[in-house]
Amino acid sequence: GENVEQHPSTLSVQEGDSAVIKCTYSDSASNYFPWYKQELGKRPQLIIDIRSNVGEKKDQRIAVTLNKTAKHFSLHITETQPEDSAVYFCAASSQEGSQGNLIFGKGTKLSVKP
Amino acid sequence: DAGVIQSPRHEVTEMGQEVTLRCKPISGHDYLFWYRQTMMRGLELLIYFNNNVPIDDSGMPEDRFSAKMPNASFSTLKIQPSEPRDSAVYFCASSFSGVGTEAFFGQGTRLTVV
Repeated sequence: GENVEQHPSTLSVQEGDSAVIKCTYSDSASNYFPWYKQELGKRPQLIIDIRSNVGEKKDQRIAVTLNKTAKHFSLHITETQPEDSAVYFCAASSQEGSQGNLIFGKGTKLSVKP
Repeated sequence: DAGVIQSPRHEVTEMGQEVTLRCKPISGHDYLFWYRQTMMRGLELLIYFNNNVPIDDSGMPEDRFSAKMPNASFSTLKIQPSEPRDSAVYFCASSFSGVGTEAFFGQGTRLTVV
């Protein structure tokens, strides 16, 4: 089955700096890659996603890149703010005609210092 | 729609007791997922359903765990007998395969087995 590795497990940056989180996946059939943000004590919520027919997607300060050949994808947050502090999860799934299961990485705890 | 609703929000039980967690997915969603979250193992997929049918239960840790979805608006995750190592936050999530693929999470049930 699918296996998703996520790095780093913790990341600390100064406010205004950029943050990059990287994930690799094992199943070449995976074609949907969402990123979730989980604030302390709350539920994970989708912040951005990318499908395999796209190499990059951007939404304001957040961007995601995908390299299908290397089977890795990354989350980039620019101009970080204290409210970006949270745990971020990457995930992968195959949607060959159906949803498939959504397998998560173990998460990255991002701390943005004012 | 009120989103994915889970109950109870918190559950404290003694080792050996039966525990039942409940989930009401978003109306119209045809996929339902059960996840377990711990510090050590992150977000683990336990089981998921499509149109009320279990598709993949390979993540269910032991026979002590069972899940059912008797209809499109209700699912349960049961642990019998419970053990201290089952202590975790259990999330239910649902999604719709036809349009977007975002998985919406419930608030989670924090289970403590003493």
